[in-house]
Amino acid sequence: QQQVKQSPQSLIVQKGGIPIINCAYENTAFDYFPWYQQFPGKGPALLIAIRPDVSEKKEGRFTISFNKSAKQFSLHIMDSQPGDSATYFCAATSNTGNQFYFGTGTSLTVIP
Amino acid sequence: DAMVIQNPRYQVTQFGKPVTLSCSQTLNHNVMYWYQQKSSQAPKLLFHYYDKDFNNEADTPDNFQSRRPNTSFCFLDIRSPGLGDAAMYLCATSRGLADPYNEQFFGPGTRLTVL
Repeated sequence: QQQVKQSPQSLIVQKGGIPIINCAYENTAFDYFPWYQQFPGKGPALLIAIRPDVSEKKEGRFTISFNKSAKQFSLHIMDSQPGDSATYFCAATSNTGNQFYFGTGTSLTVIP
Repeated sequence: DAMVIQNPRYQVTQFGKPVTLSCSQTLNHNVMYWYQQKSSQAPKLLFHYYDKDFNNEADTPDNFQSRRPNTSFCFLDIRSPGLGDAAMYLCATSRGLADPYNEQFFGPGTRLTVL
């Protein structure tokens, strides 16, 4: 059973657009929600993360919006650039264990 | 720089020939993870160590084993690789429950090819 559901599977935007990637979870014990960026042939790299005590977190052009009641969170990339073209994974974990549960990934293409 | 290092970056083995992948970390993290990632899929957790405590995922095949001789090193052993084991193998570390943010750091991965 997929603990974290991610959509869309792929996304194509023009340069300067704002791609939005959505994730949803069921386990209310999750309390840490990171987003990873992965380029082809590389390991995932932590991009930004949020805890459920805040509804939004911004780091540079990347913003996480978090809706605790809906058990959903999303990644927004402002002023997207071709260099942002990568696969993005959301994940979730809880303070009761060390496991991270990953979404299925979104392949983002930013067209110049 | 503190980091997670994986060797080799590319490994070619023959069907059924045992192979060992290596991971080392300079972060002094408590937890080390091994993930399998196939093309266009999410990383799939195989197992993880919290210090010396080994935690196997229920659906990890017996063909996959792991060793953690000390805090810095962790090995993934594939006893009899099949064609379906060709994938990217990712090692990751985290401080574990001692860290309220429990940030996870990934290595660059080892691309395994099975001929």
